[in-house]
Amino acid sequence: QSVLTQPPSTSGTPGQTVTISCSGSGSNIGTNTVSWYQQFPGAAPKLLIYSNNQRPSGVPGRFSGSKSGTSASLAITGLQSEDDSEYYCAAWDARLDAYVFGPGTKVTVL
Amino acid sequence: QLQLQESGPGMVKASETLSLACAVSGGSTSSTLHYWAWIRQSPGKGLDWIGSVYESGSTKYSPSLKSRVTISMDKSQNLLYLDVHSVTAADMGLYFCARVGYCSGGNCHAYFHYYMDVWGRGTTVIVSS
Repeated sequence: QSVLTQPPSTSGTPGQTVTISCSGSGSNIGTNTVSWYQQFPGAAPKLLIYSNNQRPSGVPGRFSGSKSGTSASLAITGLQSEDDSEYYCAAWDARLDAYVFGPGTKVTVL
Repeated sequence: QLQLQESGPGMVKASETLSLACAVSGGSTSSTLHYWAWIRQSPGKGLDWIGSVYESGSTKYSPSLKSRVTISMDKSQNLLYLDVHSVTAADMGLYFCARVGYCSGGNCHAYFHYYMDVWGRGTTVIVSS
């Protein structure tokens, strides 16, 4: 049972905007910054967003992150077929003194 | 360009110790701007943080694995290590090593910022009975 909550799945058609939510608590998202990772089957995760809303070099601008209180969101604007993947949120949990991942959200591009 | 490469035995017997290594190239494990972490993924499941180590040798571990896991590093060889003791079938999966950043916009605050920016490709572990 993860301390971060994400919807198991979401979908959209090319060009649409999809948003993935990540809900936590005061000891994790409420205190520390959130990161988002993209993972394709059999591959290593890739950092998409760090420090709530920062994109590493090379990550397309259609990916954006935000945080408010104990929740965070990842938005994919102008969905593309190659965005069909699994997405994980994560943050440091001060109470557990550990890094916690959300359970993941499968984005399907219809 | 920083690269990480995990290696290990592939298969380990239940109740024995799993030992993995992660070779870091194109960068240094002596960096004071990064931590180094191990993450695993059971088949068909999500990501599970195992723990991390800093260049000083200080470590933090997942509460659920703390009693069975040891993470260490050899800075002279640019190597990271993971030992998982008394393995069971639940320890099977894909194991990744990763570099962890804790700075953002010039602000460095460990654990407030904590993100894996470079990952290895992972190594598969099977536990046999």
